[in-house]
Amino acid sequence: DAGVIQSPRHEVTEMGQEVTLRCKPISGHDYLFWYRQTMMRGLELLIYFNNNVPIDDSGMPEDRFSAKMPNASFSTLKIQPSEPRDSAVYFCASSPRGGREAFFGQGTRLTVV
Amino acid sequence: AQTVTQSQPEMSVQEAETVTLSCTYDTSESDYYLFWYKQPPSRQMILVIRQEAYKQQNATENRFSVNFQKAAKSFSLKISDSQLGDAAMYFCAYSTGYGGSQGNLIFGKGTKLSVKP
Repeated sequence: DAGVIQSPRHEVTEMGQEVTLRCKPISGHDYLFWYRQTMMRGLELLIYFNNNVPIDDSGMPEDRFSAKMPNASFSTLKIQPSEPRDSAVYFCASSPRGGREAFFGQGTRLTVV
Repeated sequence: AQTVTQSQPEMSVQEAETVTLSCTYDTSESDYYLFWYKQPPSRQMILVIRQEAYKQQNATENRFSVNFQKAAKSFSLKISDSQLGDAAMYFCAYSTGYGGSQGNLIFGKGTKLSVKP
């Protein structure tokens, strides 16, 4: 398996623009997680899905952030409108049911200028 | 709420020597899992070792071992025979045992490990 695939690897956008981050989990994994990593706050869970259904979105910072999982093989994290403080590395991870670990993608480094 | 604390922002070790990274956590749950993740400059998150809270025996993976002190809520990582490739950020993480997956993680702030040749 190719592992968790995220795109793009790097994204630079201007303040106010819409940003969409994409994730393809490992085939057969029931759980999908979105994390954000910043210097100030470290790694924090934004939202996670089980069988394409959002289970806990309490980590989503604002209404500007939204996440979807239209099918078992694809998820998006959207920021609209983006702000400079959204600059961070965003990780997607997946896990099988009863899984003993989360498998992380390579992350997307987002820079909002 | 559960918390994870890593009190050492940076550590340094000589190649071939042993180093211990500290981690403490707070929880009222009895069923949980603890992890150490490694993040090299490539930023890929790599699982180093995991420990189930119900197991008394400390986990070991080759040169990596943990000292799990449940009563003290302490979970330290020992790296033996340190290698240059061990240089990275190390994150301690906690996951509840009551969900269907151990991917719902609470991370510490990390310890940056440098390895000197």
